[in-house]
Amino acid sequence: EADIYQTPRYLVIGTGKKITLECSQTMGHDKMYWYQQDPGMELHLIHYSYGVNSTEKGDLSSESTVSRIRTEHFPLTLESARPSHTSQYLCASSDTRAFFGQGTRLTVV
Amino acid sequence: RKEVEQDPGPFNVPEGATVAFNCTYSNSASQSFFWYRQDCRKEPKLLMSVYSSGNEDGRFTAQLNRASQYISLLIRDSKLSDSATYLCVVNWEGGFKTIFGAGTRLFVKA
Repeated sequence: EADIYQTPRYLVIGTGKKITLECSQTMGHDKMYWYQQDPGMELHLIHYSYGVNSTEKGDLSSESTVSRIRTEHFPLTLESARPSHTSQYLCASSDTRAFFGQGTRLTVV
Repeated sequence: RKEVEQDPGPFNVPEGATVAFNCTYSNSASQSFFWYRQDCRKEPKLLMSVYSSGNEDGRFTAQLNRASQYISLLIRDSKLSDSATYLCVVNWEGGFKTIFGAGTRLFVKA
């Protein structure tokens, strides 16, 4: 099993709240990714990082931000949650093979 | 044109059938290739890597055709538990670029 963890697994939050989704991996991977996926739909890359202090925006425009201060930690922050942010957020890390966390299912009401 | 393209399906097959999926990629510099499986409302999980010479893992066979820029996945003797979405993944630039296909949905019926 891959050693990559996301918290929380489920989150229901009100509009306008600030939230941080946590992602940690213990495999020492330099590359980490955040994907957004709606039910039955494809993965969309929203952020990625090649290592400490490296962050890039992905293919899908997102109002979220990320940081990479430590190799093992890649949190994603939404400053002001909106109902349109309701989705599943999947974190992954890779050497050449990508390993995913179990995801955070976010609902903004 | 997408960098990695898959037929979305769905493929509906009876138990015991053989089913094959293809995935095409646009970047000829692509270096490594994988198939992932994603169950409903779960995260994608690595099914198998795809090697140039082709490789087999039980009922699953993966092949790579660099000349035509596609990879394939063959599932023999389908089981109900094979029902899932199968994602093809292509890497280049030493793995720094990782592109997921949109997935092919498979339903295996009793």
